[in-house]
Amino acid sequence: GAGVSQSPSNKVTEKGKDVELRCDPISGHTALYWYRQSLGQGLEFLIYFQGNSAPDKSGLPSDRFSAERTGGSVSTLTIQRTQQEDSAVYLCASSHSPGGGTFSPLHFGNGTRLTVT
Amino acid sequence: RKEVEQDPGPFNVPEGATVAFNCTYSNSASQSFFWYRQDCRKEPKLLMSVYSSGNEDGRFTAQLNRASQYISLLIRDSKLSDSATYLCVVNDAGGTSYGKLTFGQGTILTVHP
Repeated sequence: GAGVSQSPSNKVTEKGKDVELRCDPISGHTALYWYRQSLGQGLEFLIYFQGNSAPDKSGLPSDRFSAERTGGSVSTLTIQRTQQEDSAVYLCASSHSPGGGTFSPLHFGNGTRLTVT
Repeated sequence: RKEVEQDPGPFNVPEGATVAFNCTYSNSASQSFFWYRQDCRKEPKLLMSVYSSGNEDGRFTAQLNRASQYISLLIRDSKLSDSATYLCVVNDAGGTSYGKLTFGQGTILTVHP
């Protein structure tokens, strides 16, 4: 079946512009995660959605970052007034339920490579 | 202190070698632990879960020491195809953090002929 889909795959933007990144999770997956990965670095947690519960926003680096998940499906990550340090690969992942392990592994999309010039 | 810490390596080993990776975590309330694997320019994928009693999956052995807040991954008889970045992952538990998965920075492994 279809995996996690992210768009765009690449985005180049000028410093100060706003960007929107989209994630289509696997149908029926209740948990959705956003991470970012800078070159040669690990995954930095940004935000986590689970069903209708309030999202865990503890990883958002500043108030320029926000995310929403409409209808428990598609999610959009918005970065306002982009800065050069926002350049990274933004990865979205979904899982059938909270977990991350054998019974509910994370399925990642291919990511959006954001470059802020 | 980072929530999940790993030795970034890189580890360069010959085929057939045994190699071990370590990981420590800071949240004593963490409940679940995993190893994910990330190939170059690819997305991470689950390698194996880590159970309290330790567990094996073929050439891979994972162990957990809750008292020391320490996780390990042992790879025996390394293959060229094992070359990848190995990510230690911790699932925080309790309150609104349940389900939040924190990744370590990863350990790079290169297996050479």
